[in-house]
Parts: sequence; structure tokens; C-alpha cells
Amino acid sequence: GEDVEQSLFLSVREGDSSVINCTYTDSSSTYLYWYKQEPGAGLQLLTYIFSNMDMKQDQRLTVLLNKKDKHLSLRIADTQTGDSAIYFCAESGSFDAGNMLTFGGGTRLMVKP
Amino acid sequence: GAGVSQSPSNKVTEKGKDVELRCDPISGHTALYWYRQRLGQGLEFLIYFQGNSAPDKSGLPSDRFSAERTGESVSTLTIQRTQQEDSAVYLCASSLARGTEENTEAFFGQGTRLTVV
Repeated sequence: GEDVEQSLFLSVREGDSSVINCTYTDSSSTYLYWYKQEPGAGLQLLTYIFSNMDMKQDQRLTVLLNKKDKHLSLRIADTQTGDSAIYFCAESGSFDAGNMLTFGGGTRLMVKP
Repeated sequence: GAGVSQSPSNKVTEKGKDVELRCDPISGHTALYWYRQRLGQGLEFLIYFQGNSAPDKSGLPSDRFSAERTGESVSTLTIQRTQQEDSAVYLCASSLARGTEENTEAFFGQGTRLTVV
């Protein structure tokens, strides 16, 4: 079955860039997503990328997709303490799969002042 | 409502009891998903409803778990004879029908934190 892997933890200093990495196994993935989960809150969709794209930029967020290596990354520029959260990578297959998401285990980002 | 609503937000139950969790999706969203998130782990897919089609139950971990959805509205997830390993946050999400890039976003509720003691 599909598998999505992420490193567990990342610590950065405020103002630095953060890069969170994700690998996936399903070659038929159509969309890849980054979700943010803050303590006690639900999941918030940050951004997503279609599988025929290499890069997507949205303000401080840059998503890079290497489809050949099945590697996805999320770069947060000028990281702030408010960015401290757990970040989940997720993928969904074809539309026939109903956009069912397969999630990674999450990367806990800690931003030090 | 404006977003996906789940109730209760917290539930503590005794081992062996049945529990029912409720999800109100965003109005007009035909797709509804249930996920489970154990402490410190990622989300596990449980079940998916799309319109009037037969649900995809492939993620349900045992026959103690079941879910229903009436049309394109409320869904309930029922766990019978709860066990301690059922303790988790149960998240519901909804999205518009598949077919276009704009429809791809799944909106999540706040979740129900279930604790089985």
C-alpha cells in the first residue's frame, strides 16, 4: 500500500528558513499536500501541489516536488515562533480514489526565539 | 455552518461501552472522510463516503467500527465494545465532489478526543 514518511522533529531559530522533507511511495499520487496542526487545533491545509508541477510558491511557503525520487519538501522562509506546529505531508491518488488522503507521521517544528 | 463540526469534542468512556461520534460536514460537500490520529502519530484513514455510492470501508480496523451517513449530511462513527487501544482523536473531513483542482481541498473538523479508561 501507499506509504508516506517524514522525519519526526526539526528545530530552527526564528528568522531562519525551515525545510521539512517527505517521501512517498505511490507513483500514482495526483496531489501532494502540506497540513499544519497546532496544539489543540484541527488540521489546516497550508498548500498543495499537483503532480505535474515541480514547484509552487505561496508567500513564505515554497513546495518542491521531485516526482522521480518521490520527494516533497516544504520550505518556510523567515520562520516565526507562530510557525511552531506539527506539519503533515499527505498524498492522494487519482480522482477515482475519491481524494482519500494518506498522511505521513508528521514533523514537529520547534522555532526558538 | 462555516466549517466541519464534530461532537462531542471530548469523550471519556469505560472499556466495553459503545460510543457514537458525530460529524456535520460543510453544506454541499458530497465527500466525507473519517480519520483516526493516535497520540504522537499521523492520521489513519478509516472510511470514506461519496454521495450515494457505497462507502469505502477499507480503513476500518475491526468490525467493532461502523459508520453511517444520511445522504450528503451528517455522519456518525460508532465504536462498539470500546478498547483502550481505541483511544485517539477521531477527525472528520469533507470536500466537494472530485473532478477539478479547485475541489481538491479537504476541510477538517476539530476532532473528537476519545479516551477509553
